[in-house]
Formats: sequence, C-alpha cells, structure tokens
Amino acid sequence: KNEVEQSPQNLTAQEGEFITINCSYSVGISALHWLQQHPGGGIVSLFMLSSGKKKHGRLIATINIQEKHSSLHITASHPRDSAVYICAVTGNNNDMRFGAGTRLTVKP
Amino acid sequence: DTAVSQTPKYLVTQMGNDKSIKCEQNLGHDTMYWYKQDSKKFLKIMFSYNNKELIINETVPNRFSPKSPDKAHLNLHINSLELGDSAVYFCASSLPHTDTQYFGPGTRLTVL
Repeated sequence: KNEVEQSPQNLTAQEGEFITINCSYSVGISALHWLQQHPGGGIVSLFMLSSGKKKHGRLIATINIQEKHSSLHITASHPRDSAVYICAVTGNNNDMRFGAGTRLTVKP
Repeated sequence: DTAVSQTPKYLVTQMGNDKSIKCEQNLGHDTMYWYKQDSKKFLKIMFSYNNKELIINETVPNRFSPKSPDKAHLNLHINSLELGDSAVYFCASSLPHTDTQYFGPGTRLTVL
C-alpha cells in the first residue's frame, strides 16, 4: 500500500464545476505539497502546507494533520485546469513520498 | 528568461554507458533537487542539495551521483546505465521552507 493515497485516480468535470481531489497519508510529515503536471509534462508546485488552509486564486488547499488528510479544491474549473495533480509529503527525516496523481479533465 | 533549465531534453543511449544531465537555475535558490518519474508517472525524489551539502538521499543506486560545481548548478551523473534507468528526470530548485519548488522541463532518458 502506498504511503500516500490520492482519490480519485481520474476525474472528468464540466467547465465551471467545483473540483475536490483528496490525499491521505500514513506517515508522519513535516509538510505536504500539491503539484500540477501539465499535459506537456511540465511540473508546477502549487502549495506547501504544514497546517490549515491556503488559497491561490481559484485553488484552495487544506490539511488536517490529525486525520492525515489533505484536499485540493478548484473553484469555477476551466479546461486549462486539465492536468495531473500530485500530492507529496515531506517526512520528518526530510524524505519525500508521492501519490500516484489524479488526472483531471475539464470539458468546455 | 528560463528559471530552471535542463540539458539535454532527450537522451538516448546504450546500456553500460555513462551519461550526465545538466541543471541550472538562475533564481538564486539555495536548494536544488533531482526527481525521477517512471513510466507509470510515479515521481520519486532522488537527491537534494543545500549549500553543497547532500541533505536527502533516497534508496538510489550509487551509480547515480549529483555534482554541484556551484550554487546555480546541480548535475546528475549516471554510470553504467541500465534499462530500468529509462525515465523522465526533473530538476527543481527552491528557497528553504517556501511554498514553491520551480521545476525544470525534464529530461527523457531512454536506455536501449
């Protein structure tokens, strides 16, 4: 079992819908990251969280340390949001573990 | 202006060869990383360097060695290439304890 589990694996939405991607982890962490990988392969770091909630534009990331769970929300989704979203955690000894990714497709 | 650049973009080579992938960042960041993404798209961190000190080293074969000639560069050397080394390798950089890692475009390595 992967130490970082994401759900769903694949997600298709209509433009304008509210999107939620979930990440659960089973190890102690010092930080959790959300990454976005574009269809062309490029990777962008979206958030690094150690507690609470962060917001950048239409993206919101939350983390619940007690429940070992994080969510990435996208409001008013747009076709350009189509990408693979990857959850990663930095362990207490600075090692990193990655989820398998969630492939999001937003249709116009 | 490219923030994090990698060369080459594609690398095709024979088993047993030794190759290098170069990474340069012009952001003035202190920390640089190498990641491997396998055919199933799993990302795995391989190394990170902070002020020329290796601070993370996952269970990576010692055929892989990062070399940092200066703060702006972290090159990845691979000796005796094996078929299983075929993957996309990403370089990234960041300031310590910040939100954002800036990723390079990736280098697709194919070992024949």
